[in-house]
Amino acid sequence: QKEVEQDPGPLSVPEGAIVSLNCTYSNSAFQYFMWYRQYSRKGPELLMYTYSSGNKEDGRFTAQVDKSSKYISLFIRDSQPSDSATYLCAITGNQFYFGTGTSLTVIP
Amino acid sequence: GAVVSQHPSWVICKSGTSVKIECRSLDFQATTMFWYRQFPKQSLMLMATSNEGSKATYEQGVEKDKFLINHASLTLSTLTVTSAHPEDSSFYICSARDLNGRAWIQYFGAGTRLSVL
Repeated sequence: QKEVEQDPGPLSVPEGAIVSLNCTYSNSAFQYFMWYRQYSRKGPELLMYTYSSGNKEDGRFTAQVDKSSKYISLFIRDSQPSDSATYLCAITGNQFYFGTGTSLTVIP
Repeated sequence: GAVVSQHPSWVICKSGTSVKIECRSLDFQATTMFWYRQFPKQSLMLMATSNEGSKATYEQGVEKDKFLINHASLTLSTLTVTSAHPEDSSFYICSARDLNGRAWIQYFGAGTRLSVL
């Protein structure tokens, strides 16, 4: 079993839609949870991080962690074409584990 | 804060030559840096972990004589692709941890696109 599983998509939504991106993880000892956004031919950029169960909001983005289910989500409200990118979840304990990334396209 | 600069962003070289890629942490000290390789539409593949002042730790299947990593200072790590061949063409990305800050986060450079002719 992989430490982190992420649905690769691709995901295609119309502009304005709510997007839900998800990852599951295997080790309950994992402590920190992050989401990165990667545009084509660019390095990943950190979007959000959290370390506790619950929701964390930043503008149109909400990161959600459910430690009891070992499940993390990123919600994007009012999605824009500029949100089209690959989104990677990342989880750390003693080591870093990245999801495989979900490719998102927001259609104008 | 926590900016990682990677240079060059794109390099084209002839087969058999060596190419050096630099990764700098601009506003923090990075005792640990990571080097990744990424093929089109695929995920990050960790190549090696670079620790300041010591030898890099390479992932299984990565040739350490092919991909030379030097981490001589707290703000600079370099990856040298020696005797590059067309199959080495790829997107290389570095990242760094700020151990004096949020050590659980990796901050990434913008990546280097290597094309070997």
